[in-house]
Amino acid sequence: SQTIHQWPATLVQPVGSPLSLECTVEGTSNPNLYWYRQAAGRGLQLLFYSVGIGQISSEVPQNLSASRPQDRQFILSSKKLLLSDSGFYLCASRTGGGTEAFFGQGTRLTVV
Amino acid sequence: GENVEQHPSTLSVQEGDSAVIKCTYSDSASNYFPWYKQELGKRPQLIIDIRSNVGEKKDQRIAVTLNKTAKHFSLHITETQPEDSAVYFCAAKANTGFQKLVFGTGTRLLVSP
Repeated sequence: SQTIHQWPATLVQPVGSPLSLECTVEGTSNPNLYWYRQAAGRGLQLLFYSVGIGQISSEVPQNLSASRPQDRQFILSSKKLLLSDSGFYLCASRTGGGTEAFFGQGTRLTVV
Repeated sequence: GENVEQHPSTLSVQEGDSAVIKCTYSDSASNYFPWYKQELGKRPQLIIDIRSNVGEKKDQRIAVTLNKTAKHFSLHITETQPEDSAVYFCAAKANTGFQKLVFGTGTRLLVSP
């Protein structure tokens, strides 16, 4: 099975500061990669997904961006954080076809 | 694009009762429907999934049913136990274009002893 490494586990950042969350995947190649955000008590909102290096699709217009510089590396970034960016960010990886998505342990971001 | 709706948002049952969570999807091209369980503060983990060529799948106390015509799928948990308490998410994926995996809004299940 796949192992998803996501860091940091928790992060407190001031409004207007930049953000970089990194996700790396082991145990597979050419995965489909996803960034989700989970607000407190809410569902999993799909933010970005990628089917290959440099191929990013954005689901929700916002001040976040994503990049995939390597096959098994997915980065979530922001130039200036907003209070509304607070939440639990989850990276997920899935191989092609209808197979299981594996999640990282998540990053709890609090913007103050 | 795909839209997945999930009901109810919260569900409280007594230990031993059955629990049913329902989802609907909008994209008729969706062909894969997984269910995830997320315990407090932890990552979601797959508990069961079903593909569009199957109407029902069962794994011990958990079963999932799919009605392609109505675009409905449901999770059934029998003989619930306190450790079943968690948030459950349904999801849908179409095997076309980008491999989007869209989740429902989640159901918080509380099983009281």
